[in-house]
Amino acid sequence: EPEVTQTPSHQVTQMGQEVILRCVPISNHLYFYWYRQILGQKVEFLVSFYNNEISEKSEIFDDQFSVERPDGSNFTLKIRSTKLEDSAMYFCASTIRGDTQYFGPGTRLTVL
Amino acid sequence: GEDVEQSLFLSVREGDSSVINCTYTDSSSTYLYWYKQEPGAGLQLLTYIFSNMDMKQDQRLTVLLNKKDKHLSLRIADTQTGDSAIYFCAESRLSGGSYIPTFGRGTSLIVHP
Repeated sequence: EPEVTQTPSHQVTQMGQEVILRCVPISNHLYFYWYRQILGQKVEFLVSFYNNEISEKSEIFDDQFSVERPDGSNFTLKIRSTKLEDSAMYFCASTIRGDTQYFGPGTRLTVL
Repeated sequence: GEDVEQSLFLSVREGDSSVINCTYTDSSSTYLYWYKQEPGAGLQLLTYIFSNMDMKQDQRLTVLLNKKDKHLSLRIADTQTGDSAIYFCAESRLSGGSYIPTFGRGTSLIVHP
């Protein structure tokens, strides 16, 4: 069964550094998403992406964040200058029609 | 605004039924979802229900929707130790051409022998 994959599984970085989290959505899916889950808190929506542009973003998704689909398979989330409070699990998701989203296993980001 | 509430813990004996309850606030939610998260893993879509349905059954899983009370439940029949996980309820809103889920905090289901 096709799955969403994410790399790396764990990323440790110093505050102020840039990080890029990578996702490979399910191949025939058209809508892509990023979410984050701070330890012990709810899963929060960050951004949705369709037809090579952002279709919606939350207030969390400020100018420090950007997304890109650099080729036909990868979907990336860049955090330009990480802060301590960016430490969280980041989940990528995709869907073919926009109704039921399939999530990847997540990347744990630790900012020191 | 949207908000989803669910109890944090549920403990059941193996073989019993589990019922996980959830309340939501957005009456315009079209899809309501149940996701399962095992330790160290991502969110696995378990099942979903469309807002014009009252019930959906899928093998051991039964979803009940009371739209008037904005109450969603997930019943797991014959609960097994492998069902131990965190279960997330989510309502959704249509935005940017797709349905964006708003998640609850998750219910930790503990199944003991």
